[in-house]
Amino acid sequence: GENVEQHPSTLSVQEGDSAVIKCTYSDSASNYFPWYKQELGKRPQLIIDIRSNVGEKKDQRIAVTLNKTAKHFSLHITETQPEDSAVYFCAASFTGGGNKLTFGTGTQLKVEL
Amino acid sequence: DVKVTQSSRYLVKRTGEKVFLECVQDMDHENMFWYRQDPGLGLRLIYFSYDVKMKEKGDIPEGYSVSREKKERFSLILESASTNQTSMYLCASGDSAGTINEKLFFGSGTQLSVL
Repeated sequence: GENVEQHPSTLSVQEGDSAVIKCTYSDSASNYFPWYKQELGKRPQLIIDIRSNVGEKKDQRIAVTLNKTAKHFSLHITETQPEDSAVYFCAASFTGGGNKLTFGTGTQLKVEL
Repeated sequence: DVKVTQSSRYLVKRTGEKVFLECVQDMDHENMFWYRQDPGLGLRLIYFSYDVKMKEKGDIPEGYSVSREKKERFSLILESASTNQTSMYLCASGDSAGTINEKLFFGSGTQLSVL
């Protein structure tokens, strides 16, 4: 089955700096890669996703890049703000897989003032 | 907006008890999932279901069972709770019909403590 590794487990940045979280996956059949954000005490929510026919996708201050050859994808947050502090999970699945996601172990991002 | 509701936010049970965790979604989603969340281990899939009365094992099904008698309701059952099942349990639903929408919607979670 699919295995997703995520690094780092914790990340601390100064407000305004950029943050990068990296994930690798094992199954070459995977072609859908979402990122979920979980604020303290709240449910995980989808913030951005990318499919394997695209190399990069942006949404305001967040972007995701995908390298199919190397089987890794990354989340980039620019101009970080305190409200970006949360746990971020990457995940992988394949189209037609019925929403069945394999998640990474999570990254605790702390944005310090 | 999609709502996924878990019946309890916090639950305390004793070792050996039978435990039911209930999840209801209101968007007519085909697919429902139970995940377990532990620090440093991320979200691990316990069981999932693509249809009424249908169930599939996830990555860590041991010690758990599920029931889906109605489309909107997916129950997780711990037949005999053990202390190593103390965890946050998250239910999720999604509808990937047509393979366009892959988004998962999560419930608020149930923090289960087994003493």
